Amino acid sequence: QKEVEQDPGPLSVPEGAIVSLNCTYSNSAFQYFMWYRQYSRKGPELLMYTYSSGNKEDGRFTAQVDKSSKYISLFIRDSQPSDSATYLCAMRGAGGGNKLTFGTGTQLKVEL
Amino acid sequence: EAQVTQNPRYLITVTGKKLTVTCSQNMNHEYMSWYRQDPGLGLRQIYYSMNVEVTDKGDVPEGYKVSRKEKRNFPLILESPSPNQTSLYFCASSPRDSLAQPQHFGDGTRLSIL
Repeated sequence: QKEVEQDPGPLSVPEGAIVSLNCTYSNSAFQYFMWYRQYSRKGPELLMYTYSSGNKEDGRFTAQVDKSSKYISLFIRDSQPSDSATYLCAMRGAGGGNKLTFGTGTQLKVEL
Repeated sequence: EAQVTQNPRYLITVTGKKLTVTCSQNMNHEYMSWYRQDPGLGLRQIYYSMNVEVTDKGDVPEGYKVSRKEKRNFPLILESPSPNQTSLYFCASSPRDSLAQPQHFGDGTRLSIL
C-alpha cells in the first residue's frame, strides 16, 4: 500500500465549477502538507502549503488538512480553463532531509 | 530570474552508454534533489544533497550516481543506463533543510533508454 493515495482522474468540470481534489495518507508522522500544480511539459510548482490540521485560503484556492482522518483536500472555486493541469499532493514529516512523499497526481480539465 | 535549469530536456540513448543530466540553480540553495516521475508511481526521490560534498540516497537510488562539488550544480549520472531508467526526471532545490521552505523544480528531462 502506498503511503499517499490520490485519485488519478482524469477529472473534467465546466468552467466556474467548484473542484475538490483529495489525498489520503497512512503515515501519522506527516506534518507538512503541500499541493503542487504541474502543467504539461513543466515541473511542479508550489500552490499551497499547510502545517498540521486546519484550513488555509489563498484566492480561489483552499487547502484543508484533517490529521485525525489522514485526509487532505484542495478546493478550487470558480475554476478556469487555466486551472487545467495535474495536481500533486505532497507531504513530509518533521525529520531531516526535506524529503517529500508525493501522491500520483490528479489530472484536471476545466472546459469552456 | 530564480530558476532551476536542467539539461538536456530530452534524450534518447542506448543501453550501457553513460550519460549525465546537469542541474543548476541560481538561488544559492543548500538543498538539492533528484526525482523521477513515472505513470502510476508519482514522483520518487533518487538522491538528495544537503550541502556541498554531502549527498545521500533517496527511495530509488539504484543505477544512479550524483555529485555536489559546487553549491549551484547537482548532476545526475547514469553510468550504465538500462531501459527501466526510461522516465521523466526532475531536479529540485530549497534554501535549506527548513520545514517552511518548498522545493523549486526544474522543467524536467525526458530520458528514453533503448
